[in-house]
Amino acid sequence: NAGVTQTPKFQVLKTGQSMTLQCAQDMNHNSMYWYRQDPGMGLRLIYYSASEGTTDKGEVPNGYNVSRLNKREFSLRLESAAPSQTSVYFCATGAGGPSTDTQYFGPGTRLTVL
Amino acid sequence: QKEVEQNSGPLSVPEGAIASLNCTYSDRVSQSFFWYRQYSGKSPELIMSIYSNGDKEDGRFTAQLNKASQYVSLLIRDSQPSDSATYLCAVNGAGSYQLTFGKGTKLSVIP
Repeated sequence: NAGVTQTPKFQVLKTGQSMTLQCAQDMNHNSMYWYRQDPGMGLRLIYYSASEGTTDKGEVPNGYNVSRLNKREFSLRLESAAPSQTSVYFCATGAGGPSTDTQYFGPGTRLTVL
Repeated sequence: QKEVEQNSGPLSVPEGAIASLNCTYSDRVSQSFFWYRQYSGKSPELIMSIYSNGDKEDGRFTAQLNKASQYVSLLIRDSQPSDSATYLCAVNGAGSYQLTFGKGTKLSVIP
């Protein structure tokens, strides 16, 4: 039972390159989330998916796209990476529903954009 | 804009003491409240959730919620050096999936 897994763990990109961050869960949770964490800024929500087939913007969606491939998998794509996207990215899954969703985090991906 | 405020610390307490971490939130209709612990270089780990006014205890941890004052706190009894971490407060609004996080309080437990 792996919980929430993320790949890759580390990545270095050049400005303008694209990449996809992968997230998978075996917790049978309906909702999934992508956050970024920057020093002094805290955790900020990029996109979320309340259930399979739906996605919604969070606080900082610009420069990102997401795909909820199935109930288990939720990917985050950077189409043209910028240095401002250097961050630690966390995927989370949620158990509960609106107002009460308890979120569990994956190990994170450390991304550096040069 | 929904805001969650925490004292950034660092908060230093001696081993065996009670650590008190505080959090205030701006959205009066917030319904769910969470405390996460994050060790340096690691992901946030859920410690406690609380939904109703009052206290909720789990082992050495007690969460306290006062919705009238828009205030939630976390008490850690018998603090251990292994409790040294950043503690994140998170709040969920009515009908929302979105958690708003505070920037965290760094706790240091001195042996």
